[in-house]
Amino acid sequence: QAQLVQSGGGVVQPGGSLRLSCAASGFTFDNYGVVWVRQAPGKGLEWVAHVSFHGTTKHYADSVKGRFTISRDNSKNMLYLQMDSLRAEDTAVYYCAKQRTARPNALDVWGQGTTVTVSS
Amino acid sequence: DIQMTQSPSTLSASVGDRVTITCRASQSAGASLAWYQQKPGKAPNLLIYWASSLESGVPSRFSGSGSGTEFTLTISSLQPDDFATYYCQQYYTYPYTFGQGTKLEIK
Repeated sequence: QAQLVQSGGGVVQPGGSLRLSCAASGFTFDNYGVVWVRQAPGKGLEWVAHVSFHGTTKHYADSVKGRFTISRDNSKNMLYLQMDSLRAEDTAVYYCAKQRTARPNALDVWGQGTTVTVSS
Repeated sequence: DIQMTQSPSTLSASVGDRVTITCRASQSAGASLAWYQQKPGKAPNLLIYWASSLESGVPSRFSGSGSGTEFTLTISSLQPDDFATYYCQQYYTYPYTFGQGTKLEIK
């Protein structure tokens, strides 16, 4: 069945960088848009970034624009989130998720989540 | 950006109750609205998409309605497994914003 398995995450100092990875299996990865969503401790869900099925169209939340870069490698069925200039407020559990279709749609498959802690 | 506001923020109910959660958009989201259920320490789970379409495998006691700026999620008869936090999300325009969540608690 469709599955997303995340890796990366950890503790990083303010101003540092981190890369999250998300491995897709059980579906044709390059048929779907994919996103990153985060959840700060005790808070709600925040949509972070989206990349289209072909990888050429990207969108970001204002809170991460210019600091985070979403990318995908369809040959490897992989999604990435490069996070630079990290701030304390970026501390959260990060989820990757796939859209139901190539076009804008709800998120029907989610990764297990990975924790990012930004602290000195 | 489209702001999504859920009400109530917390809802206390009993097994067997019918409950409704409302999600209001600051501008039209068309029918591009999804509902998710999240339990502590777990990833969200899709319940409803296109405002009223039931995701495969989701019990039929869950239903969604609405369009434009007002949407509702209804659980017809609460089961013990339904006590969780519920989020709406619009995917009409970027950024795809979520509501702040509604925590459904046992009365």
